[in-house]
Amino acid sequence: DTGVSQNPRHKITKRGQNVTFRCDPISEHNRLYWYRQTLGQGPEFLTYFQNEAQLEKSRLLSDRFSAERPKGSFSTLEIQRTEQGDSAMYLCASSLEAGGPYEQYFGPGTRLTVT
Amino acid sequence: GDSVTQMEGPVTLSEEAFLTINCTYTATGYPSLFWYVQYPGEGLQLLLKATKADDKGSNKGFEATYRKETTSFHLEKGSVQVSDSAVYFCALYGGATNKLIFGTGTLLAVQP
Repeated sequence: DTGVSQNPRHKITKRGQNVTFRCDPISEHNRLYWYRQTLGQGPEFLTYFQNEAQLEKSRLLSDRFSAERPKGSFSTLEIQRTEQGDSAMYLCASSLEAGGPYEQYFGPGTRLTVT
Repeated sequence: GDSVTQMEGPVTLSEEAFLTINCTYTATGYPSLFWYVQYPGEGLQLLLKATKADDKGSNKGFEATYRKETTSFHLEKGSVQVSDSAVYFCALYGGATNKLIFGTGTLLAVQP
């Protein structure tokens, strides 16, 4: 068990460019979550998958955001036409959905800076 | 909707002082409650949890009791160390939601 990993750890991009982040969950975990954290705030939910199915999306997830989890393993989060307001830490978490208490384990995050 | 309210920081304490960080919640149903900690430059780590009323979660000298009557989950530690300096987040899961809902976090600074 190597924990949840995320790549890249840091991304600087220019406004209007597309970016993609990757998350590798703990291997036996069937739920995978994406959160966004801005400075001085707690993480806010974006979306989650159970296996390969995307079951819920937050209203924070505009049409420019898309997430996938092919084959129920790793997940990618893509942001198209980035805006300065997208600058944040993007966190991935995974959990084993087997009766609770639904502990989520977080990766180190990808810090996005849009210039 | 479900929500979590934490006391605002920063909280500044001397080493070996007693710590309390207040957390209250609003939720439909019976959520599980968590405290996560974020050390400088690191990711979120689960500190402790409680799944039902009157449960006490504990880890590394920290404790929190799930109080349904006051909808609270206050974090306590009897004697803090400099190494406890971090941001602490209270969170809930369940009730009407399948996601963690976090408070805004409380920065703890412990001085030697």
